[in-house]
Amino acid sequence: AQKVTQAQTEISVVEKEDVTLDCVYETRDTTYYLFWYKQPPSGELVFLIRRNSFDEQNEISGRYSWNFQKSTSSFNFTITASQVVDSAVYFCALSGNTGGFKTIFGAGTRLFVKA
Amino acid sequence: GAGVSQSPRYKVAKRGQDVALRCDPISGHVSLFWYQQALGQGPEFLTYFQNEAQLDKSGLPSDRFFAERPEGSVSTLKIQRTQQEDSAVYLCASSHPGNSYEQYFGPGTRLTVT
Repeated sequence: AQKVTQAQTEISVVEKEDVTLDCVYETRDTTYYLFWYKQPPSGELVFLIRRNSFDEQNEISGRYSWNFQKSTSSFNFTITASQVVDSAVYFCALSGNTGGFKTIFGAGTRLFVKA
Repeated sequence: GAGVSQSPRYKVAKRGQDVALRCDPISGHVSLFWYQQALGQGPEFLTYFQNEAQLDKSGLPSDRFFAERPEGSVSTLKIQRTQQEDSAVYLCASSHPGNSYEQYFGPGTRLTVT
């Protein structure tokens, strides 16, 4: 079975702090994809990143960075120098080759960034 | 181009009523997905179309839920005899040909069953 766990329900930081959102996944698939989505108060899910299981290279995009470690089945997301506009719910998700394109989402982490 | 659009954005239904939720995918996207997001939870997969073919409907919670995409473009999710537990946000997503793992989501329809 596939499962995504985001243990942090809510995180509150002050603007300019760095914050890491944790994601742990379970899958028996040999080929799978991991995702992060942002859901601002407007409700629309915004795609942030996709990684496939064969590419463990970490990625940086502006203030965002992702750390994928197969050994610990983790795909953590770090926001550097957080801003108020980063306040949102962030979802980690998983899609595997045996599940087709069905995407399994974690419960989400609500991030509050205070000015 | 325009993103995924959904209508209505909000729907209030009395228990027992039927509802129809519409999704307009991004032009040219052959894959279309429906998800249900309960309050405080992550989205849960309902069903998936490739063009007009419904390839996976394993997530539909009961036979009261029915989805169609007759011409391979616009899709409708229909819920018959709505129950209070159907209250949720219903999200539609579409993806580009050859890259169904990168799904673009619409704003969702918030359904409240009273």
